[in-house]
Amino acid sequence: GEDVEQSLFLSVREGDSSVINCTYTDSSSTYLYWYKQEPGAGLQLLTYIFSNMDMKQDQRLTVLLNKKDKHLSLRIADTQTGDSAIYFCAESFSNRDDKIIFGKGTRLHILP
Amino acid sequence: KAGVTQTPRYLIKTRGQQVTLSCSPISGHRSVSWYQQTPGQGLQFLFEYFSETQRNKGNFPGRFSGRQFSNSRSEMNVSTLELGDSALYLCASREDRLYNEQFFGPGTRLTVL
Repeated sequence: GEDVEQSLFLSVREGDSSVINCTYTDSSSTYLYWYKQEPGAGLQLLTYIFSNMDMKQDQRLTVLLNKKDKHLSLRIADTQTGDSAIYFCAESFSNRDDKIIFGKGTRLHILP
Repeated sequence: KAGVTQTPRYLIKTRGQQVTLSCSPISGHRSVSWYQQTPGQGLQFLFEYFSETQRNKGNFPGRFSGRQFSNSRSEMNVSTLELGDSALYLCASREDRLYNEQFFGPGTRLTVL
């Protein structure tokens, strides 16, 4: 079946690195994504990775994809208070009418 | 380009009533998806419409239905409302190409009393 799992909550001290993890069951996805939702707003795409890549870096963000373990992670370096949000992992399937499956979201809480 | 817009932003209904939510996608986007977000269940996919046809569907009861018009605007309807339908309903649109970024609207907050 298709399932994307994330832990619901993560606390990190300001200035430390945050690592948000995601596991998925269906490895036939084409792209995997990380979305961010700030309070009172809809989701916004942070970054994405093509399924044949292992890593993607974009400023403070690093995405790691382990296809063997079906594991995706998002690392945020030097976490700031503005990073406090809910982070969603998602995967899309080009062979299934571009279906997109989202995880339930991880709430990142920043400690002073 | 204007973003995804949803109306109304807030809604209060009572059990047993029905409700219709509206979503206007970004101009040129033919795909519209609907999601339900609650604190307990997180983000759950309801359905996706593409060129007026339902393309994908989540695991929600038949009380949840939708449609898409020729201008790509979409509506979602929930009949016989239950307390558990209280949620933030998000709409997202995207262009139909291999790399699929979803653009989300701000959501409609539905409260069922």
